[in-house]
Amino acid sequence: DAGVIQSPRHEVTEMGQEVTLRCKPISGHNSLFWYRQTMMRGLELLIYFNNNVPIDDSGMPEDRFSAKMPNASFSTLKIQPSEPRDSAVYFCASSLGSTGQNEKLFFGSGTQLSVL
Amino acid sequence: GNSVTQMEGPVTLSEEAFLTINCTYTATGYPSLFWYVQYPGEGLQLLLKATKADDKGSNKGFEATYRKETTSFHLEKGSVQVSDSAVYFCALSDPNFNKFYFGSGTKLNVKP
Repeated sequence: DAGVIQSPRHEVTEMGQEVTLRCKPISGHNSLFWYRQTMMRGLELLIYFNNNVPIDDSGMPEDRFSAKMPNASFSTLKIQPSEPRDSAVYFCASSLGSTGQNEKLFFGSGTQLSVL
Repeated sequence: GNSVTQMEGPVTLSEEAFLTINCTYTATGYPSLFWYVQYPGEGLQLLLKATKADDKGSNKGFEATYRKETTSFHLEKGSVQVSDSAVYFCALSDPNFNKFYFGSGTKLNVKP
């Protein structure tokens, strides 16, 4: 199994530009999570999906952030317009069931986003 | 609410030293507890887990015991290696909220 695949690995963009991060979860997993990691705030859950449906987006910082999961094998996290304070590592993770079943998370390698 | 607190790093040890990374939690339900490890440039990987009180999780020489009375899940290893240098995250999963809650991470540096 290839694991959770994220792209791009690195993204450098200018303030005001649209940024799209992509994630392919492990085949057969039905829960998908987007996390943001910064030195100041650590690892923050932004949003998670179960069976392609957004369950909890309370961690999405503001309307500039949006996430979609059009099918079981693909999700995107979009920032429009981007700002320097969005600079962080963004991780996608998937699990076989919901975390209510104490399933472990499998993380991708992350996307390092730098907004200049 | 649910939260995880772990000791601040970095922790610097010599090879073969004993390791303890403290983790305490607050939870409204009956959580499972986890330790994840993040190597440089990579995502987090599950290191070990415990699903109920008094359970001990273990993997690669690391151990942690779920202590409900002290709401703790401290990570220990008897003899660390340089290859253990990484960031370690304590986490809990609350079935009532279908979420993982992560601590802030503790960076471990092991010197030869």
